[in-house]
Amino acid sequence: DSGVTQTPKHLITATGQRVTLRCSPRSGDLSVYWYQQSLDQGLQFLIQYYNGEERAKGNILERFSAQQFPDLHSELNLSSLELGDSALYFCASSVSGTLLDTQYFGPGTRLTVL
Amino acid sequence: DAKTTQPTSMDCAEGRAANLPCNHSTISGNEYVYWYRQIHSQGPQYIIHGLKNNETNEMASLIITEDRKSSTLILPHATLRDTAVYYCIEGTGTASKLTFGTGTRLQVTL
Repeated sequence: DSGVTQTPKHLITATGQRVTLRCSPRSGDLSVYWYQQSLDQGLQFLIQYYNGEERAKGNILERFSAQQFPDLHSELNLSSLELGDSALYFCASSVSGTLLDTQYFGPGTRLTVL
Repeated sequence: DAKTTQPTSMDCAEGRAANLPCNHSTISGNEYVYWYRQIHSQGPQYIIHGLKNNETNEMASLIITEDRKSSTLILPHATLRDTAVYYCIEGTGTASKLTFGTGTRLQVTL
């Protein structure tokens, strides 16, 4: 158990819908990362927050958005869902937000878009 | 895109050492080598990282060549629970994102 929690574990929805994925980081970690893992693209970095502020952005679609709240939990919002958005979405957390601190990954949310 | 290259898959007998190679021929002087693994569809797990010296922890050893163009992750006594995809990633200490490649699928067998 990494200490990072993600809800829900599974999500099944239809194209065009909007969903919210939630992540609670490990106690004491200020930085949260979101990654997407699909069969064709592999594991890809989406976005990072540090203490409530966006710090780095990766291949995140404009239909996707994220935020980190004052209690440091984070939400990833996916809208206008397409079949290709079906994937595993992982949240990770670390203390300082740099690679010298271990990123601890949650168990992921499996999103299926029908 | 990932800048490291790894073999697609490897097999290892349980109890033997698993040696996973990684090439990072364009690595910069201030870039570290990080290893993570992913067991089935679980979240990736940190293993070890190093800059230029060899490193060892309770999970593995990391051997980095003197020219830093390649490295080897060593699992000294592989078990069935070590079956996973192993990712070799390079990045500076101040960078934040992990850029995953395709990794090496290690299969540990009886």
